[in-house]
Amino acid sequence: EVQLVESGGGLVQPGGSVRLSCAASGFTFYNYAMSWVRQAPGKGLEWVSAISGSGGSTYYADSVKGRFTISRDNSKNTVDLQMNSLRADDTAVYYCARGNRGVILSPLEYWGQGALVSVSS
Amino acid sequence: QSALTQPASVSGSPGQSITISCTGTSSDVGGYNYVSWYKQHPGKAPKLIIFDVNNRPSGVSNRFSGSKSGNTASLTISGLQAEDEADYYCSSYRSHSPLEVFGGGTKLTVL
Repeated sequence: EVQLVESGGGLVQPGGSVRLSCAASGFTFYNYAMSWVRQAPGKGLEWVSAISGSGGSTYYADSVKGRFTISRDNSKNTVDLQMNSLRADDTAVYYCARGNRGVILSPLEYWGQGALVSVSS
Repeated sequence: QSALTQPASVSGSPGQSITISCTGTSSDVGGYNYVSWYKQHPGKAPKLIIFDVNNRPSGVSNRFSGSKSGNTASLTISGLQAEDEADYYCSSYRSHSPLEVFGGGTKLTVL
């Protein structure tokens, strides 16, 4: 059974940093690209970032480019999202997700439960 | 402002059919057969219900179907049931950043 479990969310001050981690199990991790999608309170879904199975290719939404960094550790089956220079509009539930195909940006069939990041002073 | 345009809400009675539209551009919906639809209950993670315009993942009811014409994709739910009440989001691959775009979401109410 595919499982994705996020951790690391919480309350952070504007300008601060937080690192989210997603632990994956139930599939051959390095064969699949992984994505992060966020949802601000009461708002819709926004794609944030994606990383290829090898970790060699990464992609970002313009809204987070230069502030967020996605990475993965295929030996530990984890994918992380380092979030720096946080702003109030980064407040959201962040979901880790896996596509139904190994390639990057494939339809997101498996999702974690989400991790809430609140940016406030 | 979401990249893809969906109606904010739709409604229907049990047993009826409804259709939710998702309008983009030739750089996303119209240019690729990579449109997906997600269903989301409040407080829960989204669930993939349609991918590649008109394909259903294993286990998804055949009451859900997808189609596309030009720059507009559509999700049709037939034989509406109470458990269909949820938020629905479309998404598409895009040729330029951001590489994946979502619609603003449509709230389906089953009357």
